[in-house]
Amino acid sequence: DIVMTQSPLSLPVTLGQPASISCRSSQSLVNTDGNTYLTWFQLRPGQSPRRLIYMVSDRDSGVPDRFSGSGSGTDFTLKISRVEAEDVGMYYCMQGKQWPPWTFGQGTKVEIK
Amino acid sequence: EVQLVESGGGLVQPGGSLRLSCAASGFTFSSYEMNWVRQGPGKGLEWVSYISRSGSSIYYAESVRGRFIISRDNAKSSLYLRMNSLRAEDTAVYYCASQFSGSFELWGQGTLVTVSS
Repeated sequence: DIVMTQSPLSLPVTLGQPASISCRSSQSLVNTDGNTYLTWFQLRPGQSPRRLIYMVSDRDSGVPDRFSGSGSGTDFTLKISRVEAEDVGMYYCMQGKQWPPWTFGQGTKVEIK
Repeated sequence: EVQLVESGGGLVQPGGSLRLSCAASGFTFSSYEMNWVRQGPGKGLEWVSYISRSGSSIYYAESVRGRFIISRDNAKSSLYLRMNSLRAEDTAVYYCASQFSGSFELWGQGTLVTVSS
């Protein structure tokens, strides 16, 4: 199974400041079709998971452009350019290159300082 | 409106059974692969089970294999998860999720399963 490792696990941020979450996979997530199947999800308190980014950097419809994804191979990053209060919650990366199983990172808790 | 709505959760004793349902609306359910994902209390997300568009391919996480059964009824736009021999560690919020572009695109609001005596 591919192991996904996120850091940091807790991220206190100041409103209006940038934030960055790292995700590393135990194997390359580049598929034979040339696509890299790395996804980012957001879980806000009391809400269901929301997909933010898929295939490393493609933003889902309705996701604010302050969210961006980057990376390649085994190293990936989710960046929030200017954190807003509504961004508080848990963030998870997930690999979809080698399944089953689909595997998630441990999660990163974003909170306001 | 495009949505997934889970139901069927509740309190069950260890060793008991439960069937979860997920009703899809606003999109062509039969065109999507579907999954169940859970989140235990204080834990992260864990993939549970997958079913292909036709139901011909099915996969389970090792932690539930032999105890859980996933199924779907495309005519009713519904996904199911039959959970048998439930254990305390199965306590979690269970989400159904549609699969697109190699990942889980749309999620339901979740249904809570509590296994306790």
